[in-house]
Formats: sequence, structure tokens, C-alpha cells
Amino acid sequence: DTGVSQNPRHKITKRGQNVTFRCDPISEHNRLYWYRQTLGQGPEFLTYFQNEAQLEKSRLLSDRFSAERPKGSFSTLEIQRTEQGDSAMYLCATRTEQETQYFGPGTRLLVL
Amino acid sequence: AQTVTQSQPEMSVQEAETVTLSCTYDTSESDYYLFWYKQPPSRQMILVIRQEAYKQQNATENRFSVNFQKAAKSFSLKISDSQLGDAAMYFCATDSNYQLIWGAGTKLIIKP
Repeated sequence: DTGVSQNPRHKITKRGQNVTFRCDPISEHNRLYWYRQTLGQGPEFLTYFQNEAQLEKSRLLSDRFSAERPKGSFSTLEIQRTEQGDSAMYLCATRTEQETQYFGPGTRLLVL
Repeated sequence: AQTVTQSQPEMSVQEAETVTLSCTYDTSESDYYLFWYKQPPSRQMILVIRQEAYKQQNATENRFSVNFQKAAKSFSLKISDSQLGDAAMYFCATDSNYQLIWGAGTKLIIKP
């Protein structure tokens, strides 16, 4: 256990529904990252927060995706109008300025 | 753009033997880190070892060591005395400002 938690661990939804995932970082970690990982592939960067500011977003992050990190603590990733292509593992990672990224267990999303 | 290449989709090794996983990368950064992460089946991503590019000495963590060849942009991972618990996907990654750039991974199988 790295100290980064994610909820839920698994989510099954129907196409067109909205889903929201949560990441709780290690408390002193001011940087938070969201990645998407499909089966047999390495993670792909989605977005990055430093404290509460969202500093970078990948082109993979369409307008159906939104992420927040109120007060620089936990973060949420919302996907609106889910599509089957959104099925993947969504990983959260956190770090301090000097540290390596520590990953949570991920949320596995299946869109039917 | 930074890239990371893992040319071995799958490797197998006899328990207690030594195995080397290959990784090459390309980066325009002058100062960067290289990482090996391990992802066991249905479990979270865990950092195995980290190398700072400006350090010539190869990093070592117990049974895990790297062969870092900066000029060749090569960063291989050697696992000595392989154990059943080493079975996992192994990902090589480098950092690029705000994100990690990942290889496609190598699946390591340990034969008892």
C-alpha cells in the first residue's frame, strides 16, 4: 500500500451515463496526476495538478472529462456521457517536489 | 518528444535465476530521471528503482539493479535471484516536466 487511495475500485456503467472517481493523496503530496491505462499498455497521462491548480491537460482529455482538486487535497475525475472506448483503468499518482510518483490502486471502468 | 521503448513484450526466467529487461529512451531533457515500475496482476503500480541521469553510478535496490548507459540512452533492469513474487508487468519510464513517459511494458513470468 503506497498511501494513495482511489474509490471506487471498480465501476460498471451503461454507455451515456456519467461517472466520478476519487483520489485521496498522501497528505503532504502537493502534486497529483491522473493517468489512463488500457490492457497491456503503459499508462497515458491525462492531467496534472499542483495544489488546487490544474496545470496541464492531455489532448486525450476530451470535453467529456473534467477533473478537480478543491483545496489541493483529494481530486475527482468525472467522465460525462461515457462511451465504450472509455473502458480502462484510471490511475492516480501523487508526489512532492522531490519525490517519485506514488500510485493508487486504480479504478477499473467498464462501459457497457 | 520523449519516447520510451521496451522491445520485449514478455520474458520468462527460472526461479532463482537472473533476468535482464531492456529499455531504451529518447529525451531532449538535460536533467532527467529514469524509473522502473512493477505492476503485479490486479495490483497497483509500485516503484522498483530510480536513476538520476546525472549520476554515473548505477542504482541498486537489493536484488534489483540497473545498467544505465547514458550515451546509448539505454536503461536495463537486472533482477537477481528471481522469486515467484517478481512475476508482474514491468514498465520503464522517464519524466518530462510534469508527467511520466512510459514504455509498453514487459510481462515477466517466473517458472518454478
